[in-house]
Amino acid sequence: EADIYQTPRYLVIGTGKKITLECSQTMGHDKMYWYQQDPGMELHLIHYSYGVNSTEKGDLSSESTVSRIRTEHFPLTLESARPSHTSQYLCASSGVGYEQYFGPGTRLTVT
Amino acid sequence: AQSVSQHNHHVILSEAASLELGCNYSYGGTVNLFWYVQYPGQHLQLLLKYFSGDPLVKGIKGFEAEFIKSKFSFNLRKPSVQWSDTAEYFCAASSWGKFQFGAGTQVVVTP
Repeated sequence: EADIYQTPRYLVIGTGKKITLECSQTMGHDKMYWYQQDPGMELHLIHYSYGVNSTEKGDLSSESTVSRIRTEHFPLTLESARPSHTSQYLCASSGVGYEQYFGPGTRLTVT
Repeated sequence: AQSVSQHNHHVILSEAASLELGCNYSYGGTVNLFWYVQYPGQHLQLLLKYFSGDPLVKGIKGFEAEFIKSKFSFNLRKPSVQWSDTAEYFCAASSWGKFQFGAGTQVVVTP
């Protein structure tokens, strides 16, 4: 059983607010990822990290930012939320085996 | 450009029917292949993976997949589905640690 946690699970917030979505894993994985997934749609990679102090933007352009100060922690921040940010955000991590382990997701609604 | 395509977006079938979901990838070089499943209300879970060796891989819950290099395919199969197999299924490919997911196939199994 993978140990990867995301908080909050659900968030409803007003336009213009700053939010941080938390993601933590207890497996010691070097690689961590953030995906955006709309209902019934594919996953889009928005950020990834191959280790501490290493972050890269993914294939889908995103106004969010990430940081990786500790191996186990990979938070995602939106400086000013907009309705177009309404989506589900999935965090994942992977180790030497390359398969990704996913958290339960954060469903974000921006009103 | 690297891509993963899944042939069907929605599949509806009866219990005990056989299931086959198509997946094709477009990657140069070495590629690792995966099938993930997302049950309603749950997070993504790994069904099976292929890295090398026997092209027929067996996963959890009676699923298997066959890697056919000449066809760039990695189709998922289950001989006899159950109602509990109702879920969304994602094919994924990775190369050098970077993942790409297909659009997903929604499978509904009717009693």
